[in-house]
Amino acid sequence: AQTVTQSQPEMSVQEAETVTLSCTYDTSENNYYLFWYKQPPSRQMILVIRQEAYKQQNATENRFSVNFQKAAKSFSLKISDSQLGDTAMYFCAFMKHLNNNDMRFGAGTRLTVKP
Amino acid sequence: NAGVTQTPKFQVLKTGQSMTLQCAQDMNHEYMSWYRQDPGMGLRLIHYSVGAGITDQGEVPNGYNVSRSTTEDFPLRLLSAAPSQTSVYFCASTPGPPGRAQREKLFFGSGTQLSVL
Repeated sequence: AQTVTQSQPEMSVQEAETVTLSCTYDTSENNYYLFWYKQPPSRQMILVIRQEAYKQQNATENRFSVNFQKAAKSFSLKISDSQLGDTAMYFCAFMKHLNNNDMRFGAGTRLTVKP
Repeated sequence: NAGVTQTPKFQVLKTGQSMTLQCAQDMNHEYMSWYRQDPGMGLRLIHYSVGAGITDQGEVPNGYNVSRSTTEDFPLRLLSAAPSQTSVYFCASTPGPPGRAQREKLFFGSGTQLSVL
């Protein structure tokens, strides 16, 4: 079974600074997908960024980027120029390639951006 | 854009009661799924469906039933509620298998907070 571990239950960052959220996972698969989802107080889950394991290049979406280390099974999220609206729970998620719908989530990291 | 609509938003049940959590999407998505979110455990997949008439179990299916008679609706039934089923429930949909393309991200509903006393 695949497991996803987020070792930081809570983090905080000053507005405009950079913060990195950690995620590790355990799998014997070679092809898979990794995701970061954001859950603001509204409870809506929002996809932040997606990485395909067979791509060595780290994914980037505006202020959000990942550091994907396949050998180390690590998938950290870097948020640059943090904004107050980035305050949310962040979930790391894993899904096997060619899997119908079994997405495994970590326990989440609560990020607070301070003004 | 309605997206994924879940009802009710809050519900309190007594142990042994039954109820159905409703989920509807208006995006013509083939894939739909139910997750539960518990503190310190992230989201766990309960059941999913890859199209009308097709359902399958996820990671934690016990105590829950689903059916998919139409593309739009995917209700989750609790047959005999237990305190262990106190959780926040999320319904999600996607056009195809999640992850295969950037467009096939999960679209989540706003959740149902369920308390079983």
